[in-house]
Amino acid sequence: EVYLLESGGALVQPGRSLRLSCAASGFNFDDFAMHWVRQAPGKGLEWVSSLGGNSGYIDYADSVKGRFTISRDSAKNSLYLQMNSLRPEDTALYFCAKDGGGVPPYSGMDVWGQGTTVTVSS
Amino acid sequence: QSILVQPPSVSGAPGQRVSISCTGSSSNTGADYDVHWYQHVPGTAPKLLISGDLGRPSGVPDRFSASRSGSSASLAITGLQAEDEADYYCQSYDISLSGVIFGGGTRLTVL
Repeated sequence: EVYLLESGGALVQPGRSLRLSCAASGFNFDDFAMHWVRQAPGKGLEWVSSLGGNSGYIDYADSVKGRFTISRDSAKNSLYLQMNSLRPEDTALYFCAKDGGGVPPYSGMDVWGQGTTVTVSS
Repeated sequence: QSILVQPPSVSGAPGQRVSISCTGSSSNTGADYDVHWYQHVPGTAPKLLISGDLGRPSGVPDRFSASRSGSSASLAITGLQAEDEADYYCQSYDISLSGVIFGGGTRLTVL
């Protein structure tokens, strides 16, 4: 069964850092692009970052560029999101998602995790 | 305002047909990038309904269909059921932003 499980969400103060993890199983992890998508309270889905298959093609939303870093560990079948200089507006439920393809413009996010909650507040 | 524009809400009675539009521009849907559609019940994992290039994933009923015309795309739901009540999002790729874009989402209410 194809499965994604996020972890690492927490309550953190503004300016601090946090690393989210997404454990993947049931598919050839290296072959597919992976994404982070978030949903702030009462808002819609917002794309955060993408990492192409075989670690090519890294993209970030302007709202997180220079603060967040996406990466993957193929040996652990895991996707990560390192979040630095966190702001209150980063408060959201963060989802990781698998793409149906490997490279931009991508093929749709066909598997999603249940999400992990990040709250940035003093 | 999202780059992909969707109506905030639509509604329909059980058994009826509803349509949700998604309008982009020359740097995304107008550049012929695929449009993908998702169903999302808040607090749960979003679900891919239709991939613009890979079609409908297994398990998604054929009551859900998608179409394109220029910079616009539409999701149609026929034979509306109570379980269809959710938020629906379109998604594409924007070459100017070099990234994924979502529509603002449409709340479907089944009357």
